[in-house]
Amino acid sequence: QKEVEQNSGPLSVPEGAIASLNCTYSDRVSQSFFWYRQYSGKSPELIMSIYSNGDKEDGRFTAQLNKASQYVSLLIRDSQPSDSATYLCAVNMRGGGATNKLIFGTGTLLAVQP
Amino acid sequence: DGGITQSPKYLFRKEGQNVTLSCEQNLNHDAMYWYRQDPGQGLRLIYYSQIVNDFQKGDIAEGYSVSREKKESFPLTVTSAQKNPTAFYLCASSPQHQGTSEKLFFGSGTQLSVL
Repeated sequence: QKEVEQNSGPLSVPEGAIASLNCTYSDRVSQSFFWYRQYSGKSPELIMSIYSNGDKEDGRFTAQLNKASQYVSLLIRDSQPSDSATYLCAVNMRGGGATNKLIFGTGTLLAVQP
Repeated sequence: DGGITQSPKYLFRKEGQNVTLSCEQNLNHDAMYWYRQDPGQGLRLIYYSQIVNDFQKGDIAEGYSVSREKKESFPLTVTSAQKNPTAFYLCASSPQHQGTSEKLFFGSGTQLSVL
């Protein structure tokens, strides 16, 4: 089982619709969860972080975390063509000794159709 | 402007050659990282450094080497021992090593290709 799993997509949604991106993780004690957006050929940029169960909203973005189900999601409301990108889920997991390490999923490609 | 600068943007390596990717940050961050990204895959950790003159292997360190002589700089050398070096390389930094809530700031990346 991969440590962080995402559907690679592409996920195609019409402009103005809600895009729902999902991520599952394997380490039950993980405490920190991040969503990065990456445009083709560019570096990832952080768009959301979430640390406790429930929803966290920031503008058109909502992150949802369910630690019991080991599941984190990202909702994008009123999707715009400029939202078309790959969305990477990242989870902070136990590494060797006392360290943690950030594990990335393979990313979901989102295509918003005008 | 504060940020992370990677150079060059594109790099070509001949067989048997070592090449070095540059990463400089002026964010005063303690921790720096190198990731590799292959098409359709997530980011994989190569090396990281929590403090000057110290660095640790990540998940795919074989065929790579790093140094951390200055807080601002964390160059990555892709050696001839790395048989499949073609990938997009990303340097990142954070104020401290990845504790439970640290966020990463990324450079713009270097695309390395084999001639």
